Amino acid sequence: DQQVKQNSPSLSVQEGRISILNCDYTNSMFDYFLWYKKYPAEGPTFLISISSIKDKNEDGRFTVFLNKSAKHLSLHIVPSQPGDSAVYFCAATRRTHYALNFGKGTSLLVTP
Amino acid sequence: GAGVSQSPSNKVTEKGKDVELRCDPISGHTALYWYRQRLGQGLEFLIYFQGNSAPDKSGLPSDRFSAERTGESVSTLTIQRTQQEDSAVYLCASSLGIRKTYEQYFGPGTRLTVT
Repeated sequence: DQQVKQNSPSLSVQEGRISILNCDYTNSMFDYFLWYKKYPAEGPTFLISISSIKDKNEDGRFTVFLNKSAKHLSLHIVPSQPGDSAVYFCAATRRTHYALNFGKGTSLLVTP
Repeated sequence: GAGVSQSPSNKVTEKGKDVELRCDPISGHTALYWYRQRLGQGLEFLIYFQGNSAPDKSGLPSDRFSAERTGESVSTLTIQRTQQEDSAVYLCASSLGIRKTYEQYFGPGTRLTVT
């Protein structure tokens, strides 16, 4: 039962443009959302998070938007850089819990 | 400082054999997690340790899987009588504890191949 879905397995973007990665969730009890970035042969690295009391969180080139009514969140990377090429995982949890529920990931390729 | 480390990085084993995977969390992190990532899938929660509390084993897929943790340090995940469907990358993560359980720091994983 996949509670967190990333429907785009891959995305290709030109350097300097915006990358938008999308994520949907089904469990309305989730109240904390995270994005992780993963390079080959490495573990996922925490990137940015957002609480359900907010609809936007920004950190440098990375912004996460949350639409609770649609159970949808997105990660925007502006401007995209070749070093951003990696697999991005969306994760969701309840603050009172600890297990993260992950999507299957979206592979982002930023071309020069 | 040092991140989460895991060993071995790769393990190939024959079906039916037992394997033991090791995780060294970040120093000072009281919470430790094991996840599994099968090919083309997201990470799947297996087990959680928090301090000296009883671990949450609710994610373990069968009784062939077990895990131990020594205090707030090293953890080992043991898979007995391995099956081909156990082939996956096994990831360990740690976090500061109850207040920051949602920001987890992952190790590089152990790639397990059961032939």
